[in-house]
Parts: sequence; C-alpha cells; structure tokens
Amino acid sequence: DSGVTQTPKHLITATGQRVTLRCSPRSGDLSVYWYQQSLDQGLQFLIQYYNGEERAKGNILERFSAQQFPDLHSELNLSSLELGDSALYFCASSVDQGGTGNTIYFGEGSWLTVV
Amino acid sequence: SQKIEQNSEALNIQEGKTATLTCNYTNYSPAYLQWYRQDPGRGPVFLLLIRENEKEKRKERLKVTFDTTLKQSLFHITASQPADSATYLCALAPYNQGGKLIFGQGTELSVKP
Repeated sequence: DSGVTQTPKHLITATGQRVTLRCSPRSGDLSVYWYQQSLDQGLQFLIQYYNGEERAKGNILERFSAQQFPDLHSELNLSSLELGDSALYFCASSVDQGGTGNTIYFGEGSWLTVV
Repeated sequence: SQKIEQNSEALNIQEGKTATLTCNYTNYSPAYLQWYRQDPGRGPVFLLLIRENEKEKRKERLKVTFDTTLKQSLFHITASQPADSATYLCALAPYNQGGKLIFGQGTELSVKP
C-alpha cells in the first residue's frame, strides 16, 4: 500500500459526460501528480500540483482540468468525454516539488470506461 | 523528436538467470532516470534511481547502469524468481520541469520456474 488513495476505483460513463476523479496523497506529501495510462500511449504525465499551485504540465487536454485543495487532496475533472479517454488514471504524490529524485508514490488508479 | 524506447518484446527467462532490460532515449538530457515495476492493474512501484553523474547503482538483486553517451540505461535482475514477473518501466526526469517523469512503454518480464 503506497498510501496514495484514489476514488473511484472503477467508473463507467457515457460519451459527452463529465467525471471527477479524487486523490488523497500520502500523509506529509505536498505534490500531487496525475498520469493517464492507455494501451496505445503508455503512461503519460498530465499535470503536477505542489502545495496548491500548478507546478508542471504535460499534454493535458483542454477538456481536462485539475486542482489541489488546501487539505492537499486533488481532483481531476474530465469533461465532454470521448471513447478515447477510456484509460487508467493514476495519481501519485511526493514530499517535495519534484526534480530532486525523491520517490514518487503511485496510487492504484481509477479505471475509466467511456461507452 | 524525443523518444524513450524499451525492449518492445516481452522477455522470457528461466528462474535463476539474470534478466537484462534496456531503456534507450533520444533528444533528452535527463537529470536522472528511474526504474519502476508495475503489476497488472496496479500502480507503478519505484525500484531504483540513477543520476546523470552516476554509472551504476545496486539494490539487493537489482542493478542499473546509466550511459549518458550512449543514452542508454540497463536494468538487471540477478537470480531471477517467478515473483519478479511483471512489467518494468523506465522513466526520465527532464531538467526544470518539476517532478514530471517521461515513461517508456515498459518491458514485460516473465520468469519461468
């Protein structure tokens, strides 16, 4: 158990809908990361927040947005869902703002299926 | 363009042998490189980190090498066991991009008894 908690574990929704994925980082960790893993694209970095502020951004679609709240939990919002958004979404956390080599701990992921 | 490539084929080896996995990259100058293990349907688990100024790191049965001239990292598991069967991912950390990691596609390792 990494200590990173993600909910929901599984989610099935229709095209055009909007979903919110939630992440609680490890106790004491200030950074939260979101990754998308699909069969054809592998594990892709979406975005990082550090202590409530956006720290780094990947190829995150405009239909996707994220935030980190004062209690350090994070939410990833996915809207106008398309079939191609079906993937495993991982949250990860680390103690610092990253780039130092400190371990990044991954949660167990949220499986999103868009039908 | 920037690329990270791992052994595209699955790797099948016999228990007790050494597994060697390859990670090649182009057009990156990473600050460090990490190796992760991922089991089906689970999150990646960190194994080892090696920095750009290091040639080799070891941890128990694991060894990683890093050649910034060849732009290649090798990951070795010695005395492999069936429990080592999993997908192994390499990940690069670019400079000045926070904690962003760029992952390879992974290599699936199967260790047969």
